[in-house]
Amino acid sequence: GAVVSQHPSRVICKSGTSVKIECRSLDFQATTMFWYRQFPKQSLMLMATSNEGSKATYEQGVEKDKFLINHASLTLSTLTVTSAHPEDSSFYICSARGDSYEQYFGPGTRLTVT
Amino acid sequence: GIQVEQSPPDLILQEGANSTLRCNFSDSVNNLQWFHQNPWGQLINLFYIPSGTKQNGRLSATTVATERYSLLYISSSQTTDSGVYFCAVKKSNTPLVFGKGTRLSVIA
Repeated sequence: GAVVSQHPSRVICKSGTSVKIECRSLDFQATTMFWYRQFPKQSLMLMATSNEGSKATYEQGVEKDKFLINHASLTLSTLTVTSAHPEDSSFYICSARGDSYEQYFGPGTRLTVT
Repeated sequence: GIQVEQSPPDLILQEGANSTLRCNFSDSVNNLQWFHQNPWGQLINLFYIPSGTKQNGRLSATTVATERYSLLYISSSQTTDSGVYFCAVKKSNTPLVFGKGTRLSVIA
């Protein structure tokens, strides 16, 4: 199956700083990438959808100036959490889709803001 | 938007037992996927099954698209099957929408 990597797997940062999370599709070209957020014991909530070379589409309630998404190539998308606050602490998961409808997920990044 | 309901929300099984997890969805879809989220948070693709029946080892899944439900069967459960099972669906040009999951605990 297709492989999606995410880096870092875990990050701790101080309040007010910015954190960048990378998502890569390793063995296929991802025309569309997605970013999800998951709180403990809850389901995945879609934050935004990005297509290579175009601006991301954010879900209602997600601040686009706080969660900056860049999809610069067919294998790389980044999520930058700007001016992080403790309430941004969460598990962030990226997903990628190629030519088929099937989506593949990265291993997730656990962000803790102190 | 499309609604996805999974049942049961929680399930405890003795090792070796069989189980059936259900996913109901509110509209026609062109993609349905089952995932297993392991204790480390990784989502593992189990099945891509917008319709029909598929089997992979001890797991199998059936989607009846006309009746808007899908079933995931786990046979001879093992402790490593523990985790959360998610059903997710999508219509054309929309992202995957996840159900709330079924939390499975298999005890030895």
